[in-house]
Amino acid sequence: DSGVTQTPKHLITATGQRVTLRCSPRSGDLSVYWYQQSLDQGLQFLIQYYNGEERAKGNILERFSAQQFPDLHSELNLSSLELGDSALYFCASNLAGGDTDTQYFGPGTRLTVL
Amino acid sequence: GESVGLHLPTLSVQEGDNSIINCAYSNSASDYFIWYKQESGKGPQFIIDIRSNMDKRQGQRVTVLLNKTVKHLSLQIAATQPGDSAVYFCAENIGGNKLVFGAGTILRVKS
Repeated sequence: DSGVTQTPKHLITATGQRVTLRCSPRSGDLSVYWYQQSLDQGLQFLIQYYNGEERAKGNILERFSAQQFPDLHSELNLSSLELGDSALYFCASNLAGGDTDTQYFGPGTRLTVL
Repeated sequence: GESVGLHLPTLSVQEGDNSIINCAYSNSASDYFIWYKQESGKGPQFIIDIRSNMDKRQGQRVTVLLNKTVKHLSLQIAATQPGDSAVYFCAENIGGNKLVFGAGTILRVKS
């Protein structure tokens, strides 16, 4: 158990809908990362937050957004969902968000878009 | 340098044998590399890391080797056990707090 928690574990929704995925980092960690893992693209970095502020952006679609709250939990919002958004979404955290800080991953949320 | 795929290579080893999983990375400027293990239904789990100023690092039953000349990373697992069966990913930090993951290798341990 990494100490990173994610809810929900599974989510099934329809195309065009909007969902919110939640992540609580390890106790004391200030930085949160979001990743998407799909069958055809592998594990892809989406976005990073550090202490409430966006720090780095990867392959995140404009339909997706995220935020980190004062209590350091983070939410990933996915809107106008398409079939291709079906994937595992992982959150990771580390203390300071530095390049050589190990990222610890949560158990993931499996999103199925029908 | 992005993970593309995804026909994952598979390594099958006999329990007790040593395993070597290889990875080619893309960015010669990357200075931090990590190996993760992912079991079915779980998130990636940190195994071992190495910085670019080193060429070898050892952990418990695992060793990571880094060859910057050919941009190659390997993970050696000693005395492989059934519990080591998983997908193994290498990841490189390309800067700006961005990790780029390899496509992964499936390790199957035969008892």
